[in-house]
Amino acid sequence: GESVGLHLPTLSVQEGDNSIINCAYSNSASDYFIWYKQESGKGPQFIIDIRSNMDKRQGQRVTVLLNKTVKHLSLQIAATQPGDSAVYFCAENLIQGAQKLVFGQGTRLTINP
Amino acid sequence: DAGITQSPRHKVTETGTPVTLRCHQTENHRYMYWYRQDPGHGLRLIHYSYGVKDTDKGEVSDGYSVSRSKTEDFLLTLESATSSQTSVYFCAIKSGGQETQYFGPGTRLLVL
Repeated sequence: GESVGLHLPTLSVQEGDNSIINCAYSNSASDYFIWYKQESGKGPQFIIDIRSNMDKRQGQRVTVLLNKTVKHLSLQIAATQPGDSAVYFCAENLIQGAQKLVFGQGTRLTINP
Repeated sequence: DAGITQSPRHKVTETGTPVTLRCHQTENHRYMYWYRQDPGHGLRLIHYSYGVKDTDKGEVSDGYSVSRSKTEDFLLTLESATSSQTSVYFCAIKSGGQETQYFGPGTRLLVL
C-alpha cells in the first residue's frame, strides 16, 4: 500500500554538527510534504513544509529537500542543539482539500554533548 | 498548540465502557482530525471533519465514532472500549486556506 517511511529509526549526532533525517515516500501523486517534531509527552509540532513543485525550502536552521525522481525527502538541521532532541516525522498529503496526511513511523534524534 | 485543547489529558477505563474524548479549538478552523499514535505505527488517522456535521472515516475508524455539532468541538467516542484502543490520541486542525495541520497536546488513554 501507499506509505511513508523513514530510513533510520534512530540518529545520534554531536552537538553543533549538522543532522540529516531521511524519508521515503511511495505515492508519486503526493503534492505536499510536512516535517513535524515531537518532544516527549507533547503533540507533533510543525517544522517546515514543501510543495511538490519545489525541490528545496529553507527555514531557520532547517532545510527540506525533495527529490521527486527517487521519491525521497530529507530534513537537514544545522548546528544541532540539545533542544533538537526529539522524534521527527515526515508526512505526505494524498488528498487535496481535507488533506488526509500519511505519516512515517518517525526518527529519534539524540544529541550528544 | 495552535489554540487547541484536548480533554481529558489522561484517562483510565475498563473494557466495555464508553469513552468520549473532546477536542476544542478557538480559532474557527474548518477541518478537524483525530489520530491515534502507537509504537511502531506512527500517527494514523481515525476520523476527520470538514465542517459542522460533516465527517468522514480515516485509516483506522473501526470502533470509533465522531460528532461535530459546532465548529469549535470535535468529539471522538469509543462506544465500547477495548484494550487495543489503548493509545495516545491527538486532535489536529487545519484552516480551509492553509495546507498545514496543527496538533493538540494529546490524550493518553489506557483501557484495562
